[in-house]
Amino acid sequence: GAVVSQHPSWVICKSGTSVKIECRSLDFQATTMFWYRQFPKQSLMLMATSNEGSKATYEQGVEKDKFLINHASLTLSTLTVTSAHPEDSSFYICSAWGSGPLNTGELFFGEGSRLTVL
Amino acid sequence: SQKIEQNSEALNIQEGKTATLTCNYTNYSPAYLQWYRQDPGRGPVFLLLIRENEKEKRKERLKVTFDTTLKQSLFHITASQPADSATYLCALDTAQAGTALIFGKGTTLSVSS
Repeated sequence: GAVVSQHPSWVICKSGTSVKIECRSLDFQATTMFWYRQFPKQSLMLMATSNEGSKATYEQGVEKDKFLINHASLTLSTLTVTSAHPEDSSFYICSAWGSGPLNTGELFFGEGSRLTVL
Repeated sequence: SQKIEQNSEALNIQEGKTATLTCNYTNYSPAYLQWYRQDPGRGPVFLLLIRENEKEKRKERLKVTFDTTLKQSLFHITASQPADSATYLCALDTAQAGTALIFGKGTTLSVSS
C-alpha cells in the first residue's frame, strides 16, 4: 500500500483563492519531504525541501511567499498555493525518503494533486 | 550546467520485444541512479536503484546498467507487455543527506499488442 498519502487528488479553485495540499508519511517519520511540480510532458521540477520544525528550502525561481510550506510534524507537510492564478495550474507531488524499515534508498511519492485555477 | 537527458520523449514497440531507454547526464557525480515508472495522473513509483560501483542490476524483466565513464544508464524491459506502457523516469541521487532526486524528463513507452 501507499506509504505517502497526498490530499486532495484534484482541486479546482477560482483565481485569487488559496489552496492547501497535504502530504502525510504513513507508518514512518519524515524529517524531510520534497515538493515537486510537473507540467504536462515535462520533468518533475523540485520546488522546495520541507524540513520538520524549520523553514523550507526553496529552489531558485520558486516564490516562497506564493508557495507556503509548513512541516509541523514528523508525518505531515503542507503546501499552500496562495492567491492562485491560472499559471499555477499544475500537478504537485510530494515525496519523502523512507526511514526505519522503509529506508531502502527509494524515494516514496504521494499520488499527486492536480490543481486547476479558473 | 548540469543536465539529465532521456534519449527520446516517446518509444513505441511491439509486445514481446525488448524496450531500451537511455539516460545521459552531464556535470553530475551521482552515487546512485534510480528508475521510476509514472502512469498518467499518478505519482512516480520506484523500480530499480543502481550504485556507482555496480555495472548492472536486474529485477524480473527489468535490467539497468550504469556506466559512470560514459555518464549513461540504460534501462531494459524484456518481453514487453502492453501493461508496461507508461512514462519511465531516470533520477540522479548524490546520496547527500536530505537532498532530493533530480529527474530527467522521462520517456513514454507504448507497447502495442
